Amino acid sequence: TAGITQAPTSQILAAGRSMTLRCTQDMRHNAMYWYRQDLGLGLRLIHYSNTAGTTGKGEVPDGYSVSRANTDDFPLTLASAVPSQTSVYFCASSDSGLGGYTFGSGTRLTVV
Amino acid sequence: AQTVTQSQPEMSVQEAETVTLSCTYDTSENNYYLFWYKQPPSRQMILVIRQEAYKQQNATENRFSVNFQKAAKSFSLKISDSQLGDTAMYFCAFTSGSARQLTFGSGTQLTVLP
Repeated sequence: TAGITQAPTSQILAAGRSMTLRCTQDMRHNAMYWYRQDLGLGLRLIHYSNTAGTTGKGEVPDGYSVSRANTDDFPLTLASAVPSQTSVYFCASSDSGLGGYTFGSGTRLTVV
Repeated sequence: AQTVTQSQPEMSVQEAETVTLSCTYDTSENNYYLFWYKQPPSRQMILVIRQEAYKQQNATENRFSVNFQKAAKSFSLKISDSQLGDTAMYFCAFTSGSARQLTFGSGTQLTVLP
């Protein structure tokens, strides 16, 4: 089934450790996004990429980095995790941007 | 910057009844799209309905319809004949021609009571 694959599904991470959340899409969408979901705050944009080779900062980029070496992959890296990064992370992609969004199933990350 | 506001953190409705979820937004753009997404306990983000700002007619998808008031920047979701499977978190979202990413509201947890 075409769509977005996120890995891992869930993870417990010690504070100070680094981690990369993986995101792969097979729809050849140009744009990809990383959101974090926190209760009472909805989904907030961390980083985005409008096309392979380019990235941009969203609303809450601090403590996170991304890369877009090719169209299909958009990994999110936490260099030194802190407890405030405990959240559910969603990867998404879109084609033209005005309507065709696809979401992954999310990664639940707990930083202890 | 665009903002999306959902002022109802929680709502409940009896099965088979009708419920309306509120959403307001703020933008200076003229070309934009509005969405309602459903997130059940499975965590999956499911598109419920979409509205293009240039269309005056309100979007409808089966039991789901919107009341789009462009001048008031209001975009409410009406669920008719509520079903137990409608229990979920509902997010209102916005995107414009100048920024492709979605901006989300804080969500409304809807519970359908048997």
